[in-house]
Amino acid sequence: DTAVSQTPKYLVTQMGNDKSIKCEQNLGHDTMYWYKQDSKKFLKIMFSYNNKELIINETVPNRFSPKSPDKAHLNLHINSLELGDSAVYFCASSQELADYNYGYTFGSGTRLTVV
Amino acid sequence: KNQVEQSPQSLIILEGKNCTLQCNYTVSPFSNLRWYKQDTGRGPVSLTIMTFSENTKSNGRYTATLDADTKQSSLHITASQLSDSASYICVVSAWEDSSYKLIFGSGTRLLVRP
Repeated sequence: DTAVSQTPKYLVTQMGNDKSIKCEQNLGHDTMYWYKQDSKKFLKIMFSYNNKELIINETVPNRFSPKSPDKAHLNLHINSLELGDSAVYFCASSQELADYNYGYTFGSGTRLTVV
Repeated sequence: KNQVEQSPQSLIILEGKNCTLQCNYTVSPFSNLRWYKQDTGRGPVSLTIMTFSENTKSNGRYTATLDADTKQSSLHITASQLSDSASYICVVSAWEDSSYKLIFGSGTRLLVRP
């Protein structure tokens, strides 16, 4: 199956812990993203990588650090988790950064709950 | 400030009926507008993409319209099916601070009842 896959699907952890979410796409896309979907259902961009290079880095705490070992992978590491980090995190990819003609392909999300 | 607003927030219709979802945006400069369908527990899936010059675009029973003058878009669903129950998200893309970004609405939650 060609897709964007992210793991784990669910993550429950205590405050103060460090956790990682992994994302892989086999679509041959050059650009990958991390989005956060809050309780009001808005999706907001966190990071964007194009060919392993950081392109967009929105105002997110330094505790969030993306890592792209190759253009098919974009992982998200979160240090010192806080209650407010609880959300659904979506990985996505696109053919190129300004993808005028094609939609972004999203993963199925990772529901992070910090207790 | 670039924003996308959708209405209604939620909608319940009977199977087989039609419905129309609305999207107003204040994004400038506008690049394109997309409608996504997000099933519960899944990521958004693209339904339609329209550029500035396009007024309407169809994908099966889904038809999107765009009025770039009034900055409004609608998504019309014909002959609804139970599987249409989902959130429908309007997304406008623009160049903001020299970065190409997608600006998401909060979605309309549609429930189709038998």
